Amino acid sequence: SAVISQKPSRDICQRGTSLTIQCQVDSQVTMMFWYRQQPGQSLTLIATANQGSEATYESGFVIDKFPISRPNLTFSTLTVSNMSPEDSSIYLCSVVGVTGGTGELFFGEGSRLTVL
Amino acid sequence: GENVEQHPSTLSVQEGDSAVIKCTYSDSASNYFPWYKQELGKRPQLIIDIRSNVGEKKDQRIAVTLNKTAKHFSLHITETQPEDSAVYFCAALSGAGSYQLTFGKGTKLSVIP
Repeated sequence: SAVISQKPSRDICQRGTSLTIQCQVDSQVTMMFWYRQQPGQSLTLIATANQGSEATYESGFVIDKFPISRPNLTFSTLTVSNMSPEDSSIYLCSVVGVTGGTGELFFGEGSRLTVL
Repeated sequence: GENVEQHPSTLSVQEGDSAVIKCTYSDSASNYFPWYKQELGKRPQLIIDIRSNVGEKKDQRIAVTLNKTAKHFSLHITETQPEDSAVYFCAALSGAGSYQLTFGKGTKLSVIP
């Protein structure tokens, strides 16, 4: 499976500020996603990070709030803009590794954000 | 879209006993069903998966069964150990087109020594 590195691993942020999370993969991957996991909750897909084009957002998530970049096949960033306490979550980068047939989804270590 | 229901939300078992977690899905076109284990403060880790052309898959103490007709799949852990304590998530991958993995709400498993 691919090695997925995220940073920061955690941060404490002030309300109204923005934070950019980086995701680096050790091999080229076609499919890369960003998930959110609110405290004690399941995993919710924010968007698919598309290389060379705009990200595809899921219902309830918008580009102005969660801008995403994907400049190449090994790197992506997610920005959480104008943060409020409701944005306190773990944000997870994930990639699909193809080992024959349907690919398995693997996660980075996550970035735990606390918004005060 | 796909909807995945997972039960129970919490499960406590004595060490050595078996644990079973069940999930149902709504999209008959879903063809891939992974299970993830998430220990406290860590990332979700893929522990086993099953594809729609298989009815059962086993890996040591862990097994997964799939009933396509009833649209449900289950995780079975035998001879549970304290290190099996974690939150387990099931998921279903919708059919053709984009990669859309829908997760269940999770089951917190506690194995009591």
